Amino acid sequence: GQQLNQSPQSMFIQEGEDVSMNCTSSSIFNTWLWYKQDPGEGPVLLIALYKAGELTSNGRLTAQFGITRKDSFLNISASIPSDVGIYFCAGSPYSGGGADGLTFGKGTHLIIQP
Amino acid sequence: DVKVTQSSRYLVKRTGEKVFLECVQDMDHENMFWYRQDPGLGLRLIYFSYDVKMKEKGDIPEGYSVSREKKERFSLILESASTNQTSMYLCATDPTGVGNTIYFGEGSWLTVV
Repeated sequence: GQQLNQSPQSMFIQEGEDVSMNCTSSSIFNTWLWYKQDPGEGPVLLIALYKAGELTSNGRLTAQFGITRKDSFLNISASIPSDVGIYFCAGSPYSGGGADGLTFGKGTHLIIQP
Repeated sequence: DVKVTQSSRYLVKRTGEKVFLECVQDMDHENMFWYRQDPGLGLRLIYFSYDVKMKEKGDIPEGYSVSREKKERFSLILESASTNQTSMYLCATDPTGVGNTIYFGEGSWLTVV
């Protein structure tokens, strides 16, 4: 099946720093999604991207759909303690149909050091 | 807001027991999913359903079955629970109808002893 490479696996940062993470695919996707998961909870959808080159913000979060359709980036500006968690990317090769079409990255653990 | 409710957050069951995990959405979405999440393995699709009484196998259906008698409810069934089914189970629903955006429930932690 398709593979999504998400990096980095973990990040140790200071409060107030900016964060960048990315996902790459060996094949073209038509949808990219970014989720955040807190310990013991289900993933929460942060940003959905449906068009190559699209840049979308949600508060301090900004995500981009790579122009090659094979990658996506998530940036968090001025990190705060509640940003701690696991961030997942997901991609779909389908623009319509295919309910089983989502592929998930393994996640980036974000840890904020006091 | 999209709301997906999983009835049991934490369960402890014995090996061989039959286990039901219930998921409800009140948004009239057609597509519903069951995933399990394990450290190092990420999210894996067990089953999905695109309509009442319709079901499709995902990547790891062995040892599981599902039921969708009503549009709003999608149940995951472990006919005879085993210790290797200890995991976090996540239900999800797709409001787009085309399967490329999903919203998750809070998750159900199942421990099989």
